[in-house]
Amino acid sequence: EAQVTQNPRYLITVTGKKLTVTCSQNMNHEYMSWYRQDPGLGLRQIYYSMNVEVTDKGDVPEGYKVSRKEKRNFPLILESPSPNQTSLYFCASGEGVNQETQYFGPGTRLLVL
Amino acid sequence: KQEVTQIPAALSVPEGENLVLNCSFTDSAIYNLQWFRQDPGKGLTSLLLIQSSQREQTSGRLNASLDKSSGRSTLYIAASQPGDSATYLCAPKRTGNMLTFGGGTRLMVKP
Repeated sequence: EAQVTQNPRYLITVTGKKLTVTCSQNMNHEYMSWYRQDPGLGLRQIYYSMNVEVTDKGDVPEGYKVSRKEKRNFPLILESPSPNQTSLYFCASGEGVNQETQYFGPGTRLLVL
Repeated sequence: KQEVTQIPAALSVPEGENLVLNCSFTDSAIYNLQWFRQDPGKGLTSLLLIQSSQREQTSGRLNASLDKSSGRSTLYIAASQPGDSATYLCAPKRTGNMLTFGGGTRLMVKP
């Protein structure tokens, strides 16, 4: 089944404790992206990657890192999480010349205390 | 910077009604516009994608239109059903392969 998977689905952590949210897709898509969703602010793009070893900042990259060492994986790294990073995170991958259609993972709900 | 507004923010209708959801965006230099559906606690599901050169796109009971020059898109849902209850998001895609999402329209279809 074609899908985007994220792990963990739920995470509670404390300020400053480094964490990684994994994202994997099995559709051989070149494009992958991370978003965060907050009440009243909607979905905002954090980082995206056009291909292996190619990443770019989205609208809200501060406090986040990403890497794209393999085509199928695009982990999101929070080196020193803060409470304002409490959010619902979505990973997505896209197909087509201009990534015409994007497929989203189920989301990771993060609480930073 | 692209700004996307969706009206109404919430909508409650009886089953069977035809609906129009509106999306407006400030930067008309877009590649395409995508409509998504989000169910509570779930990820996003792509419904329709309209290329910047297209005016309309249809899938089943859904029809999306795009007026790029005026920065508007509408999603028309025919004969609404309770299973259509969800939040609907529009997202125009601009340069840099970046999607900008609207705040969504939360739809409730009552049996």
